[in-house]
Amino acid sequence: QSVLTQAPSASGTPGQRVTISCSGSSSNIGSNTVNWYQQLPGTAPRVLIYNNHQRPSGVPDRFSGSKSGTSASLAISGLRSEDEADYYCAVWDDGLNGLVFGAGTKLTVL
Amino acid sequence: EVQLVQSRAEVKKPGESLKISCKASGYSFISYWIAWVRQKPGKGLEWMGTIHPSDSDTRYSPSFQGHVTISADKSFTTAYLQWSSLKSSDTAMYYCARFSSLPNGWFDPWGQGTLVTVSS
Repeated sequence: QSVLTQAPSASGTPGQRVTISCSGSSSNIGSNTVNWYQQLPGTAPRVLIYNNHQRPSGVPDRFSGSKSGTSASLAISGLRSEDEADYYCAVWDDGLNGLVFGAGTKLTVL
Repeated sequence: EVQLVQSRAEVKKPGESLKISCKASGYSFISYWIAWVRQKPGKGLEWMGTIHPSDSDTRYSPSFQGHVTISADKSFTTAYLQWSSLKSSDTAMYYCARFSSLPNGWFDPWGQGTLVTVSS
């Protein structure tokens, strides 16, 4: 059981905006930066958001990240079929002295 | 282009040893950490540990400490993950990834993954 809580699933229709949440504690999200990874079916993960809200080059601005207190969120606007994937949050945990991943949220585009 | 290329898939028997590799190119190998991440079939991502190739400073997840060994060879710009005695529960996809900095770094890029199957 992960120290970061993510809903196991989320869904939306094309064009909609969806939000995926990641809830943690003062020893992880509350004191370190959050990163988000996208894993398309059958492929390796890739970084989507780093340092809470920054996008690597090549990631569309439809994807945005935010953090408040001990929670973080990934928002996807203008949902597209190719966004159907698993999304993971990750952050360093000072108490565990290691990096932790959320359990992942499977996004379905209806 | 920054790239991590992992070794091919492996099929092993319980009790056998194994060493898989992650070849880095396109950047200064000794300037970044390399991490290993496990993904069991149909499950999520698990951080196993991280090594800095400049001095082999290695940090392990408590869940994996003592069960695997992470190493790196600067001469070959390659990181390794090894087991001395595999178990069926080690069956998984293993990814390496470049990690920018501790503690507030991120994984980018990722290798393509090495599938390890342990079965009698």
